Amino acid sequence: DGGITQSPKYLFRKEGQNVTLSCEQNLNHDAMYWYRQDPGQGLRLIYYSQIVNDFQKGDIAEGYSVSREKKESFPLTVTSAQKNPTAFYLCASSKDRGENIQYFGAGTRLSVL
Amino acid sequence: KNQVEQSPQSLIILEGKNCTLQCNYTVSPFSNLRWYKQDTGRGPVSLTIMTFSENTKSNGRYTATLDADTKQSSLHITASQLSDSASYICVVRTMNNNAGNMLTFGGGTRLMVKP
Repeated sequence: DGGITQSPKYLFRKEGQNVTLSCEQNLNHDAMYWYRQDPGQGLRLIYYSQIVNDFQKGDIAEGYSVSREKKESFPLTVTSAQKNPTAFYLCASSKDRGENIQYFGAGTRLSVL
Repeated sequence: KNQVEQSPQSLIILEGKNCTLQCNYTVSPFSNLRWYKQDTGRGPVSLTIMTFSENTKSNGRYTATLDADTKQSSLHITASQLSDSASYICVVRTMNNNAGNMLTFGGGTRLMVKP
């Protein structure tokens, strides 16, 4: 998966619970991204980060939060405010914001109990 | 609004046959177009990327075409194999570096190759 590791592969969330999805890359890329994939729909951007300690909202940021304390790591927290969290979550990275995304992680499938 | 439409949504073909997947887009200003293959439960893997000046590009049995005038792209798969069963996603990048979201993803075409 091009040096991007997502974990866990499967995750279950109880109502009212926050859960965190991990994304680590060893590509020395500055930019990282989180996407949500729903059946039959295109990937939608949740958050992106161009550099350490900086991140920006994407198209569907509500109910999600991120941090970028290290260049290699970009964890995504799905909060209890996200009322429809069941989806496939994909992390990606690129050398910088101006470069194309070539590498995606293997994804995390989140389901609600 | 930037949009990428793919057709068909799903396709079933017999092993060894050829097929063509379509992608129409309205992204502007256009920077490039990339086709990805996504196996079930996995992340997308890049097959090919095309810029404005490129009309066709091949990657093994995959051949992508781009018509920037009509804003259409196609992905042709030759002599299909069972391992080609996957979703194929068309992604268009805008040249607008100030855009929050620079990529627009199509909904994908789900291809199933049967023996």
